[in-house]
Amino acid sequence: NAGVMQNPRHLVRRRGQEARLRCSPMKGHSHVYWYRQLPEEGLKFMVYLQKENIIDESGMPKERFSAEFPKEGPSILRIQQVVRGDSAAYFCASSAQGQLGTEAFFGQGTRLTVV
Amino acid sequence: TQLLEQSPQFLSIQEGENLTVYCNSSSVFSSLQWYRQEPGEGPVLLVTVVTGGEVKKLKRLTFQFGDARKDSSLHITAAQPGDTGLYLCAGENNNDMRFGAGTRLTVKP
Repeated sequence: NAGVMQNPRHLVRRRGQEARLRCSPMKGHSHVYWYRQLPEEGLKFMVYLQKENIIDESGMPKERFSAEFPKEGPSILRIQQVVRGDSAAYFCASSAQGQLGTEAFFGQGTRLTVV
Repeated sequence: TQLLEQSPQFLSIQEGENLTVYCNSSSVFSSLQWYRQEPGEGPVLLVTVVTGGEVKKLKRLTFQFGDARKDSSLHITAAQPGDTGLYLCAGENNNDMRFGAGTRLTVKP
């Protein structure tokens, strides 16, 4: 899982600020998933993207949250006007395309704290 | 509601005991993965199963995929404190992966 890079590892934001979380997938992977995890809980699906396309964003709040995966560069999860309830660990995973039993590899996460 | 239901949610046992955790769904999956997550880290892939009825062994861990590819189990023999962690299952269809909420295992020395 060391191949998926997330930054920053820790992010502190004041209420009302914007948070930008970055995820560089493993080389050759064109699928990216974002998950949110609250302390002592499992992973909650947020959004699934392929290059330049959002495939499924059913797990993402309709307001303040957006995600992109441009042709070049990392995937970005953007949270506008953060609130204390946004504090969580945000994990990104990537997988290769078109393989049976595709496996996802995770980054180490970004821990967002809203103060 | 979770697409994948994992049980039990929490499990605390003594070193040397055996245990089984479950991952159930009403959906059929092309493949199913098991991950382990330790505090402060991302989930790490343990195994992928793709064929109904498939059994895979990884040292003291035995993974089984249900015949109908809707459920899976993870059995640990002679658990050790190093097995402590959050065990997550994930079902995959067409590269779309969804996770269960996990089973949090604590193995006491």
